[in-house]
Amino acid sequence: DSGVTQTPKHLITATGQRVTLRCSPRSGDLSVYWYQQSLDQGLQFLIQYYNGEERAKGNILERFSAQQFPDLHSELNLSSLELGDSALYFCASSEGQISYNSPLHFGNGTRLTVT
Amino acid sequence: GENVEQHPSTLSVQEGDSAVIKCTYSDSASNYFPWYKQELGKRPQLIIDIRSNVGEKKDQRIAVTLNKTAKHFSLHITETQPEDSAVYFCAASPGYSTLTFGKGTMLLVSP
Repeated sequence: DSGVTQTPKHLITATGQRVTLRCSPRSGDLSVYWYQQSLDQGLQFLIQYYNGEERAKGNILERFSAQQFPDLHSELNLSSLELGDSALYFCASSEGQISYNSPLHFGNGTRLTVT
Repeated sequence: GENVEQHPSTLSVQEGDSAVIKCTYSDSASNYFPWYKQELGKRPQLIIDIRSNVGEKKDQRIAVTLNKTAKHFSLHITETQPEDSAVYFCAASPGYSTLTFGKGTMLLVSP
């Protein structure tokens, strides 16, 4: 167990809908990252938060947004869902900026299926 | 930004053989190089990592080597076992930015 908690494990929804994915980082970790992994695809970085503030943005669509709350948990909001948004969404956390002393640990992911 | 290339995309070996996965990176400022193992439907798990002032690190059957001059690093798995079958991702980070992952290598170990 990595200590990073993601809910829900599975989510099935229809096109055009909006969903929220939730993540609680490991105890003591201030940075939260969101990654998208589609079938046969690698890990696409979406966005990073550090202690409540957005720190870096990757290939995140405008239909997607995220935030990190004062208790350090994070939510990823996906709206106007399309079939192509079906993927495994991982949350990961690190103590600070990623380094040998602050490695990245992944949660078990949320599998989103858009029908 | 950083760009990480990973080869091969698929690697098939017989149980007991060695497996080598190679990665190259572009940003000379990168100083941290972790490797993750992802079994089917599960989360990526950190299996070994190395920082730029170290040329080689070993942990039981796995080892990682780093050549800073050539900007490449490799994962070596010896005496492979069927449970080593998974997708392996290399990654690089310059410390001031996020981790950039390679596209992954699917390792298949046949009994």
